[in-house]
Amino acid sequence: AQSVTQPDIHITVSEGASLELRCNYSYGATPYLFWYVQSPGQGLQLLLKYFSGDTLVQGIKGFEAEFKRSQSSFNLRKPSVHWSDAAEYFCAVGANKLVFGAGTILRVKS
Amino acid sequence: DTGVSQDPRHKITKRGQNVTFRCDPISEHNRLYWYRQTLGQGPEFLTYFQNEAQLEKSRLLSDRFSAERPKGSFSTLEIQRTEQGDSAMYLCASSFGTGNHEQYFGPGTRLTVT
Repeated sequence: AQSVTQPDIHITVSEGASLELRCNYSYGATPYLFWYVQSPGQGLQLLLKYFSGDTLVQGIKGFEAEFKRSQSSFNLRKPSVHWSDAAEYFCAVGANKLVFGAGTILRVKS
Repeated sequence: DTGVSQDPRHKITKRGQNVTFRCDPISEHNRLYWYRQTLGQGPEFLTYFQNEAQLEKSRLLSDRFSAERPKGSFSTLEIQRTEQGDSAMYLCASSFGTGNHEQYFGPGTRLTVT
């Protein structure tokens, strides 16, 4: 069965510091992987996706993610966090039916 | 704004009442998806359509839930005889084509059952 684990429920980083959000997945075939961001009261915005090819993918807002098949991971990174990045981040796997992790809430301290 | 729209944004209803939500996908997107999100959780898949055909339904979609997309454009999600456990955010998403799996989400409908 498909599943996604986001081990960190909350993460707090200082503004300007680097960020890494972890995501591990279980999927029977070559996975389609996504990161979404959700601000309070809002829908989900697609940050980036991995379908195939280069394992380091670039997304919007300065985010990137690296697909590591051997570790079944797809971690999200950003070199320098801005206060406006505070939100909840969801990793998802699948094609038509997306399976989401439980999310990681990012807090940014000034 | 040409994104996915959902109506209403908020709905408060009493237990036992029926409710209906509407989703308008991005124009020309042929696939439309419904998800449910409860507090502190990620979205859970409910069902999806390709054009007007409903191709998959989750076991979460009990017989009190029905979704339609009659003309392959907008979709409705109806919940009959609502229960307090139905309180959640109902999210709609759309995508284009059959090989493109990028789903674009609407703002959601927040349902509160009292």
